[in-house]
This record gives sequence, C-alpha cells and structure tokens, in this order.
Amino acid sequence: SYELTQPPSVSVSPGQTASITCSGDELGDKYVSWYQQRPGQSPVVVIYQDTRRPSGIPERFSGSNSGNTATLTITGTQTMDDADYYCQAWHARIAVFGGGTKLTVL
Amino acid sequence: QVQLQEAGPGLVRPSETLSLTCTVSGGSIGSYYYHWIRQSAGKELEWIGRIYTSGSTNYKPSLKSRVTMSLDTSKSQFSLRLSSVTAADTAIYYCARDADSTGDWFDPWGQGMQVTVSS
Repeated sequence: SYELTQPPSVSVSPGQTASITCSGDELGDKYVSWYQQRPGQSPVVVIYQDTRRPSGIPERFSGSNSGNTATLTITGTQTMDDADYYCQAWHARIAVFGGGTKLTVL
Repeated sequence: QVQLQEAGPGLVRPSETLSLTCTVSGGSIGSYYYHWIRQSAGKELEWIGRIYTSGSTNYKPSLKSRVTMSLDTSKSQFSLRLSSVTAADTAIYYCARDADSTGDWFDPWGQGMQVTVSS
C-alpha cells in the first residue's frame, strides 16, 4: 500500500520559517493537499493541488512538490499556527494521509 | 455555505455494526463525492471510503469487507455502516466532501463524531 511519511514534530520560533515535509514514492506525480488541525477541531485545508491556497488562508502558507517530497512552508510563523499538519494524496483511487506533524511555535 | 453534520450512536458493542449519518445543509447535495474519514487517538487520519451522488463507491481495501456506504438524496444525507467492530474502530469519524470537481481535496468537513467500541 502507498505511504506518506512526515516528521512527527517540528519546532520553530515565532517569526521564523517552518518547513514540514511529506515523502512518498513518486509523490511529485500526484497532487498533494495539506490540512491544519487545531486541538478539538476538524482539519482545514491550507494548501491544495501542491501550491494553491484556498480563500481565507494567509499568504504565509505555501507549498511545493517535486520528486518524492512535498513541502509545506510557513513564512513568518505565528503562534496561531501551532497545530498538527497532515499531507494527503490520492493513489489508485484511495486517499492516503501522512502520519501528521506537530508544529510547535515557541 | 455547505455544512456537514455527523450523527449516530457514540457507543457501539464489539462485533456489532457502527452506523453513522451525515447531513448536508446550506446547499444541495450536488454532484460530488462524499467521504468518511476517521481519526484514532493516535491522531492519524484514515480515509474509509467515498460515495458519489450516483451511488458509486470506493472503499479502502483493508476495510472493504466491513464497509457499506449509502446515499439518500431526498434527505441530503449519506451514511456509513461498519460491521463487526472491535476496539480498533474506536475513533472520531468525520464526513467530508470533495471541495470541487477535481476531487483532489476535502472541504468542508463535519465537526466529527466520537465513536467508542466497548462492552
């Protein structure tokens, strides 16, 4: 079965840049979405189709995808960005999620 | 703005069938795929499957033998049935919809329904 691998945790200081990676076989050939989940809340998409940002998502969120790795980048990280982040892609008509990354802003 | 809301029993006995319903409000059920996704206490998200408004379905292979999804367009509802549940099926169950016709991402999501499997 297809797997997406994320680092369990990433730490960043406020105002700095956070990068969260997602690795999978030939992931660059697929569209990747990124979801933010705060405690007790449902996931919310912050990036879709590798690089697109839904309306209402701040410009500090950006994405890239090439080769075997997709990356979510948060530029000028704010304390409100402290959350879990999940990557997601489709493989053989099955949606696959990464294991999630806990982003700590401190 | 379309909203989704899960409903169903929060406690299911082992070996029985988990049944959840998701109601679509704020818009028509349209022509989309509707999904069930769950999240265990370990926090990993797991896609269970999807149903199109035509009734066609796709299920995660490891759950396929136990999953049934259905749709009632007259009630703007879709449902999940998961049979022969065990403690491993304890999770928050979310319903979600394709955000657009590309089907690449999920939006909106329901608020989630905690389901515990215990005797």
